[in-house]
Amino acid sequence: EPEVTQTPSHQVTQMGQEVILRCVPISNHLYFYWYRQILGQKVEFLVSFYNNEISEKSEIFDDQFSVERPDGSNFTLKIRSTKLEDSAMYFCASSQDGNTEAFFGQGTRLTVV
Amino acid sequence: GENVEQHPSTLSVQEGDSAVIKCTYSDSASNYFPWYKQELGKGPQLIIDIRSNVGEKKDQRIAVTLNKTAKHFSLHITETQPEDSAVYFCAASGNSGYNKLIFGAGTRLAVHP
Repeated sequence: EPEVTQTPSHQVTQMGQEVILRCVPISNHLYFYWYRQILGQKVEFLVSFYNNEISEKSEIFDDQFSVERPDGSNFTLKIRSTKLEDSAMYFCASSQDGNTEAFFGQGTRLTVV
Repeated sequence: GENVEQHPSTLSVQEGDSAVIKCTYSDSASNYFPWYKQELGKGPQLIIDIRSNVGEKKDQRIAVTLNKTAKHFSLHITETQPEDSAVYFCAASGNSGYNKLIFGAGTRLAVHP
């Protein structure tokens, strides 16, 4: 069964460093998303991406965040200068179109120390 | 802003009993309501979803009901089994066309043998 894959599964970084979280969406999907889940809290929408541009973003997705689809398979989330409060589980998701179910990856646990 | 409230936060049942989780949403434009199951260390997995033109949907032991007037939707699990133990999230999506999901806070379901 096709699935969304994310790497790495766990990333530890020092405050102020840049991190790139990587995702490979399901191959025939056209819409891509990043969500995050701070430990013990709800899953929060960060950004949606379609046709090589951001279609919607939340208040959380400020200037330190960026997304990119560098090639035909990868979808990345970059955090330029990490803060302690960026520590969370980051989930990538993809859907075939904007109105069908979204499939989530296993997540990347980001720990900022 | 958009918000989804979910109750209860924890639910403990005996194997074989039914479990009901309830959600309310604030955005009357929401038209898609998925339910996700999250097991420890894994990403959210879609288990059932319902669209606003349908009042009820069933898939084996799982059913979802939607009351658009009251802006309520509920997940019903019958004949619960220990492997149903997980955190369940409801979510709502608007009609922006980009499948931005607003999640509830989650319900930790424990099914005791």
